[in-house]
Amino acid sequence: QKEVEQDPGPLSVPEGAIVSLNCTYSNSAFQYFMWYRQYSRKGPELLMYTYSSGNKEDGRFTAQVDKSSKYISLFIRDSQPSDSATYLCAMSQGGKLIFGQGTELSVKP
Amino acid sequence: GAVVSQHPSWVICKSGTSVKIECRSLDFQATTMFWYRQFPKQSLMLMATSNEGSKATYEQGVEKDKFLINHASLTLSTLTVTSAHPEDSSFYICSARDPGLAGVGNEQFFGPGTRLTVL
Repeated sequence: QKEVEQDPGPLSVPEGAIVSLNCTYSNSAFQYFMWYRQYSRKGPELLMYTYSSGNKEDGRFTAQVDKSSKYISLFIRDSQPSDSATYLCAMSQGGKLIFGQGTELSVKP
Repeated sequence: GAVVSQHPSWVICKSGTSVKIECRSLDFQATTMFWYRQFPKQSLMLMATSNEGSKATYEQGVEKDKFLINHASLTLSTLTVTSAHPEDSSFYICSARDPGLAGVGNEQFFGPGTRLTVL
């Protein structure tokens, strides 16, 4: 079993839709939870990070962490074609990042 | 956020040759840098942790004699793929840790990646 599981998709939604991306994990020692966006042939860029359980909102993005269920989510409201990318969840332990496989998202105009 | 650059952005080489990839932190000093490898439609897999002035720490299954890492200054780490073979073709990404942000979970900044194709 991988430490971090993420559905690779692809996920296709119409413009304006609410997108829900999820990851599960097995290691309860993970402390920080990140979401990265990666455009094709580019390095990942940090979208959001959270510590412990709870919600965090930044514009159209909301990150949720449920440590009791070992489940994290990223919601994108009013999705735009420019949101089309691969979204990777990542978890931090001892300074190292463990990434999920990434979900490929396509937002159709 | 801080800026990390990589050079070259892509490289094609013949089998058996060695290729060097540079990773630079442009506006901060990075005592620690990380090297990742990403195959198509796969996740980023950590290869090694590079600490300035000391030997790199390699992840299990990564050949340290094949992937030579040097972190000679606080702003530069290099990855050399020695005697490259077609199976080494991949997207290599570095990240640099900003020590000023250590402990807050968002201190790693990623470079744009280097696409290596070995013929």
